[in-house]
Amino acid sequence: GENVEQHPSTLSVQEGDSAVIKCTYSDSASNYFPWYKQELGKRPQLIIDIRSNVGEKKDQRIAVTLNKTAKHFSLHITETQPEDSAVYFCAGVDDSSYKLIFGSGTRLLVRP
Amino acid sequence: GAGVSQTPSNKVTEKGKYVELRCDPISGHTALYWYRQSLGQGPEFLIYFQGTGAADDSGLPNDRFFAVRPEGSVSTLKIQRTERGDSAVYLCASSLGSNTEAFFGQGTRLTVV
Repeated sequence: GENVEQHPSTLSVQEGDSAVIKCTYSDSASNYFPWYKQELGKRPQLIIDIRSNVGEKKDQRIAVTLNKTAKHFSLHITETQPEDSAVYFCAGVDDSSYKLIFGSGTRLLVRP
Repeated sequence: GAGVSQTPSNKVTEKGKYVELRCDPISGHTALYWYRQSLGQGPEFLIYFQGTGAADDSGLPNDRFFAVRPEGSVSTLKIQRTERGDSAVYLCASSLGSNTEAFFGQGTRLTVV
């Protein structure tokens, strides 16, 4: 089954700097990789996702890259703002049962 | 409703008691997931339904946990003989199908005292 590992567990950046969060997955057949943002006390919400037929996807200040050969994918946030502070989770889909498996999360702190 | 709804939002129960947690998915979503989230951790997979059937229940920690979705819509997570270690936020999510965006409910915070 799918196993997703995420790092770093915490990340502190200065406002305006970039932040990068990395994940690796184990199931080579996985083909869908979403990223979720969870603010304190709130539900996880999708911010961007990527499918295995593309290597990169961008949405304003957020981008995700996927390397299927190496089985890793990354979230890139540029020009970080204090409201980007939250916990970010990557996920992969287990190709045998289609369940969504999450990484352990990265707590991002953007310092004003 | 417009989103995934979970009830109750908070539940405090005594050790050894039985609890039921309810999830109302987005109308038309065939896929439904249950996750458990402890403080500072990622959502831990419990069970996944596709329609009425449990496609994968490999995440249920033991036989005290059971979930149903009899009509392919509302789902209930049932925990028997609750233990203090069951305390966590239980999240439900639904999606149109596999490999599509999963929408989360606000969760049920379960506290076993």
